Amino acid sequence: QSALTQEASVSGTVGQRVTLSCTGHGNNIGTYAVVWFQQISHGVPKTVIFGNSLASGIPDRFSGSKSGTTASLTISALQPEDEADYYCSTWDYSLSAWVFGGGTKVTVL
Amino acid sequence: EVQLVESGGGLVQPGGSLRLSCVGTGFTFSSHEMNWVRQAPGKGLEWVAYISSRAETIYYADSVKGRFTISRDNAKNSLTLQMNSLRAEDTAVYYCVRDRGIAARPVYWGQGTLVKVSS
Repeated sequence: QSALTQEASVSGTVGQRVTLSCTGHGNNIGTYAVVWFQQISHGVPKTVIFGNSLASGIPDRFSGSKSGTTASLTISALQPEDEADYYCSTWDYSLSAWVFGGGTKVTVL
Repeated sequence: EVQLVESGGGLVQPGGSLRLSCVGTGFTFSSHEMNWVRQAPGKGLEWVAYISSRAETIYYADSVKGRFTISRDNAKNSLTLQMNSLRAEDTAVYYCVRDRGIAARPVYWGQGTLVKVSS
């Protein structure tokens, strides 16, 4: 069981706004910045968002936010190339571990 | 351009050992924390080990504690993961990863190296 909880799957049509959530606790998301990774077809993960910043080369339709112990990744206008697995992660000071969510599979209908 | 290149993966029998290496280029290696993260077939990402920029602080996932050892040589821009007493459940692609993203630094991943533990 992952320390961070993500939806197993989210789907949407092209152009639709979709939001992925990542729920943790005070000792992880409540304290540290969250990073979001995109992994297409089990290839090498790519950083999408780190803290409040968009990673280099990532389209600005991606954005991240955090409120308390929940982080969110929003794709403002879903594109076919956004179909992938998305993982959230952060540090957990109670576990002294870098923790990951179980991943959300985004499907473009 | 930041590049992380892993090597050392392969097929090993249960109980055996393997040593993974990672060389980092395109950045000041000695200024960055490093990690190993793995992904078993069909599964999610799992953090394995962390080492601070000067190797003063090291952490391990409970699943590998006492069996794996992370180390680095900043003079050679290299990161190592010594894996002993390997089990079938250690089968995974192992990624060398720069930073954790919590200090406003982007996270970079190597291309990964496959470790298969099987008799």
